[in-house]
Parts: sequence; structure tokens; C-alpha cells
Amino acid sequence: QQQVKQSPQSLIVQKGGISIINCAYENTAFDYFPWYQQFPGKGPALLIAIRPDVSEKKEGRFTISFNKSAKQFSLHIMDSQPGDSATYFCAASITSGGYQKVTFGTGTKLQVIP
Amino acid sequence: DAGITQSPRHKVTETGTPVTLRCHQTENHRYMYWYRQDPGHGLRLIHYSYGVKDTDKGEVSDGYSVSRSKTEDFLLTLESATSSQTSVYFCAISGGDRGRLGTRTDTQYFGPGTRLTVL
Repeated sequence: QQQVKQSPQSLIVQKGGISIINCAYENTAFDYFPWYQQFPGKGPALLIAIRPDVSEKKEGRFTISFNKSAKQFSLHIMDSQPGDSATYFCAASITSGGYQKVTFGTGTKLQVIP
Repeated sequence: DAGITQSPRHKVTETGTPVTLRCHQTENHRYMYWYRQDPGHGLRLIHYSYGVKDTDKGEVSDGYSVSRSKTEDFLLTLESATSSQTSVYFCAISGGDRGRLGTRTDTQYFGPGTRLTVL
């Protein structure tokens, strides 16, 4: 049973455009929602994260929008650059002390074309 | 990141042979995890450890075992490799204090991965 659904599977955006990736979750016990960025041959790296008591978080060109009632959250990449070309994973986790039970989305492969 | 290393980085083996993957951390994080990454499935948890000699199963643990004899090392063993275990394996850590990897204690940090091919 997939608890975090991510779309689209792949995305092509022109340089300077806005990239939008959407995720939906089912378990209301999730208390932390990170986004990971993964380049080919590398491990996933934390990009930005949000907690459910906040509706939006912005860090540079990256923004998470969070809708608790709809159980949906999305990543917006403003002014997309070729260097943003990577696979993005949304995730939802339940945190207990330092332990996280993390459920990942299936990933979105983003290609930003010049 | 240099705080988490995995070895080997690539391995090709034959069906039925045992395989051990190693994860080594220098960050003194309490929790360590093994994931596998497959197209269309994202990352799925195999096993995790919450301390030395303390481990538990994840969602795809069948065919895998783990051991953690010291804080810095977490081993993943495939007792008898099968073609369905061809995958990219990632180690992750969490639950540490401020360190080189960052100040977040609520985040998992991933190693560079091991690509395993079982023929």
C-alpha cells in the first residue's frame, strides 16, 4: 500500500520556468515532510522540509506548499535552471526521538532544458 | 557526503552467492538504515538499527539480514543473492547531534549508494 503518491513521474521545463511536483499522503500521523534531490550516481540529499503546522516554506527558489486538510503538498522550483535537473522525492515521516519512519514517493525526474 | 561511506560502490555477483554491503559513518548518529531503490518504487526500507546490536525489520526485509557491532558500522547481508535483489542500496543515518552533515536532528542523511547486480 503506497502511502505517499507523487506526480508527475517525469517533467520537462524550460530554463526560467516553474517546476511543480505534487504529493498526496494518507496517514494523518505523519509529522514531517521532507523533499530530497538526487543527482545520477549520488544519494538523495535533503532539499527542503516542512512540518504540518505551516502552510508554506520558502528557501531561495524552492517553495513547499502544504495543504493539511487536503493531505497534499507540493514543491515549486522558481526560475528553474539546468542544474536543477535531477530526480526529486517527496517523503512523509513519523518522528520519534531521532528515529524517523519515512515513506517516500516514487520520484519525479526533472529535466530543465536551456 | 564524506560522513557516510558505503562499500563496495559497485558489485556484480552470481545467484546463490552471499553478499555483504558495508555502511560506515563518522557522525556518531544513533540510527542507521538500509534502503533499496528501484524504478517506480522510490526508496524502500529493508532494515534499520537503533543502537549497537539493536536492529529491526523494514517493509522489504525478506532475504536480507543486518548486523551492527559498533556505532559507526552497519552491515547488510544477502545470504543467497537472487536476481530480484539487483538494485541500488543506500545507507542512511539520523538522530545525531550537531555535526558536519548539518544541524538537523529530524532528517535522514544518505550515503552514496552501492549498485548491486545479481546475474
